[in-house]
Amino acid sequence: QVQLVQSGAEMTKPGASVRVSCKASGYTFTNYDISWLRQAPGQGLEWVGWISVNNGNTNYAQKLQGRVSMTTDTSTNTAYMELRSLTSDDTAIYYCARHLTSLGRGVAGYWGQGTLVTVSS
Amino acid sequence: DIQMTQSPSTLSASVGDRVTITCRASQSVSSWLAWYQQKPGKAPKLLVYKASSLESGVPSRVSGSGSGTDFTLTISSLQPDDFATYYCQQYNSYPWTFGQGTKVEFK
Repeated sequence: QVQLVQSGAEMTKPGASVRVSCKASGYTFTNYDISWLRQAPGQGLEWVGWISVNNGNTNYAQKLQGRVSMTTDTSTNTAYMELRSLTSDDTAIYYCARHLTSLGRGVAGYWGQGTLVTVSS
Repeated sequence: DIQMTQSPSTLSASVGDRVTITCRASQSVSSWLAWYQQKPGKAPKLLVYKASSLESGVPSRVSGSGSGTDFTLTISSLQPDDFATYYCQQYNSYPWTFGQGTKVEFK
């Protein structure tokens, strides 16, 4: 069965960087794109960006451009999301999500368990 | 960016009630509309995609409809497991955008 297992909670300081990992299993990793989303405490869902696992193409939320990077390691079936120059506004649960289908417009069909990133001095 | 507006923000209901949540897009998203259910402390779960396609394993009391800018999620007979927060999301174009959520709570 499809599983996405994310790395553990992170507590970091303003100005620092964080990298969250998302290890996939139960399917052919390169056949499905991955999106990252986040949810600030008590708030709704926000799309962070998307990566094509097949060719590495990315698309990031405009507000995070220049601070976010998404990569994948096909040898370990792992996706990564790095966010730099953190502020308290970046405090959130970060989710990776595999797209439901391999073709056409993607939708977040399978989700990781979430990684809490806390930014505090 | 496409704005998604859900209503109501909170819905008080009882087991067995028929509940409907609406979602409006600021411009047409065709049928590229999804609905998710989220319970406290859990990741969202996909319920409906392409406006009306039920994800595998989702009970048939859940249904989605609409196209263009106006969409609805209906639960025909609310069950205890359905008390949760629901989000609509457009994936017609990036950036994906979400409604603000509808919390379904016990009346």
